[in-house]
Amino acid sequence: NAGVTQTPKFQVLKTGQSMTLQCAQDMNHEYMSWYRQDPGMGLRLIHYSVGAGITDQGEVPNGYNVSRSTTEDFPLRLLSAAPSQTSVYFCASSYMRGGLTAQYFGPGTRLLVL
Amino acid sequence: DQQVKQNSPSLSVQEGRISILNCDYTNSMFDYFLWYKKYPAEGPTFLISISSIKDKNEDGRFTVFLNKSAKHLSLHIVPSQPGDSAVYFCAASEPSGYALNFGKGTSLLVTP
Repeated sequence: NAGVTQTPKFQVLKTGQSMTLQCAQDMNHEYMSWYRQDPGMGLRLIHYSVGAGITDQGEVPNGYNVSRSTTEDFPLRLLSAAPSQTSVYFCASSYMRGGLTAQYFGPGTRLLVL
Repeated sequence: DQQVKQNSPSLSVQEGRISILNCDYTNSMFDYFLWYKKYPAEGPTFLISISSIKDKNEDGRFTVFLNKSAKHLSLHIVPSQPGDSAVYFCAASEPSGYALNFGKGTSLLVTP
């Protein structure tokens, strides 16, 4: 079991560039999510999915797109990177039992937008 | 508006003593609470959780206490070990909710 994997570990972008952060889990979890962590801000939810084909916005969705074509994968797309998107991004997954259960996090992707 | 608050950014404790990390919440709909531990350059790791039907949950050296009337929970680590030095996040969710609301974290340093 690899758990939750994220690629790349680190990325530098120029303003206006686009990129996709990859996330995959091998635990057959229904729920997957993306968070960003900024200094002094804790973790903030960007987007989440409760199953293949179903996605919804979290607290800070602007500038990001997601899709969930399979149970395993949940990529996060930055359409036109901005310096304000410099952050550490974490993907997480969990079972659903009515509500959320404990989420398992990936190791993170550090993104620097110049 | 921050619904989960960890008002102590940092805490220093001697090895072998008790560490108490505190968390307050404002949303009375929250019914599921979790603590995560995070080392630098790693993802958060789930530690322990508690549902609102309980007021205490133990797992080894870790105990979480929930005071619903005060909208307060705490994590006790006994005895504290240097390997416990990390940032601890408190999180909460509503029934059938799809989002975890995180606090800003408390950095724990356990000194030998």
